Formats: sequence, structure tokens, C-alpha cells
Amino acid sequence: AQSVTQLDSQVPVFEEAPVELRCNYSSSVSVYLFWYVQYPNQGLQLLLKYLSGSTLVESINGFEAEFNKSQTSFHLRKPSVHISDTAEYFCAVRTSYGKLTFGQGTILTVHP
Amino acid sequence: DSGVTQTPKHLITATGQRVTLRCSPRSGDLSVYWYQQSLDQGLQFLIQYYNGEERAKGNILERFSAQQFPDLHSELNLSSLELGDSALYFCASSSDRATWSYTFGSGTRLTVV
Repeated sequence: AQSVTQLDSQVPVFEEAPVELRCNYSSSVSVYLFWYVQYPNQGLQLLLKYLSGSTLVESINGFEAEFNKSQTSFHLRKPSVHISDTAEYFCAVRTSYGKLTFGQGTILTVHP
Repeated sequence: DSGVTQTPKHLITATGQRVTLRCSPRSGDLSVYWYQQSLDQGLQFLIQYYNGEERAKGNILERFSAQQFPDLHSELNLSSLELGDSALYFCASSSDRATWSYTFGSGTRLTVV
């Protein structure tokens, strides 16, 4: 079975500052890794994914995450955040045949 | 609009009652997943259906059941409701070509009073 740990439940930052949301996973087999974003009163939207290949993956809105197999991590980063990035972010993992398992979520709050 | 439709958006009911939540997957998607999101438990996988058949089961209570119909829509039935069942219930769907790609609906917020 796999599990996901998001190390920070809340991350407050100021606008235009860099941010890192931390995610560690555990699994005995190869995994696919995901970050989802949930805006207030909405469902989850896929932000970015790692399936294979390059360990650095990017989203269209400036977020990036790096798969680190030795540290079993998949931290999410953005060099400069905007007010509109305020949301809850979920790290998730699944095996080739298994279900998607989510972390507990990190609430990112961007202050002006 | 993600393409996954969940109804109703909000539901308020009393303890002991039974409710049905409905999900229409994205066109062409054969897999449907149900998740429960609560403040204390986070996002918990409940159950998966694939083309009408149960494929995987998670932390689903015996008071809860689900099914997927021939037109691929799915229903989650919650019975003997308790206060602790209050949560957001999400449905997601995925296609055979990209089983890793889940598309989520906007959820049904259930409040048990």
C-alpha cells in the first residue's frame, strides 16, 4: 500500500515570494505522482503529474515539482506566487493499477 | 465545467435518513471513483466502478453502497446517516487511454443535522 505525507498543513506567504509545498510518499513499487489544486467551493483540478521520464515537471501557471526517488519526495515549488494561487494543494500517488491516494492537503494563503 | 456532473450540489438531511448522490462521468470515461472529503479524515477513497462492475473498494462503510448503471452514471447511497457523515463527496472519472487522469466533479456537500 502507498501513502502520502504533506508536511505542512498551512503555508502563508506574501505575494511575489517563492513557495515550496512539501510532499513525501511511501510505496513498495513504482508510482505515479500528482499535485491537485482545490479552489474554494470547487472540485480538484490536476496541476501537474510525474509518470516517467524527466524528474522535473511543470504546470502552465508557473508551478514545478521534482520527483526525487532517493528521498521519496515530490515537492511543489513556485518562484513567485500571486494572490490567485491561494488554494488548497493536494499531493497524490498511485501505482499502475491502484487507486489515487491523497495527502492531507496544504492550504496556501498568499497575502498582498 | 470539468465534464463530470454531480447532483445535488448541497444536501441537508436528518440523522437516520438515507440519501442518494448522483454522478455523470465525462463522456467516454468508463471508470468512476467516489471520494469523501472531511476536515478530520481528508480525502478518502470510497469505491471505484469500471463499466458497471465494482473494481476497487476503499474505506467505505457498510451503510454506504454504490452502483454504476449501463449508461455509466453512478449513484452513491448513504443510509442510517450520522452526524459524522457530513462531508463533501466527490466523484471522479477516468478513461481507458489515460487511467491516471482523474477528472473531478464539483462535489456534493452533505450536511447531516
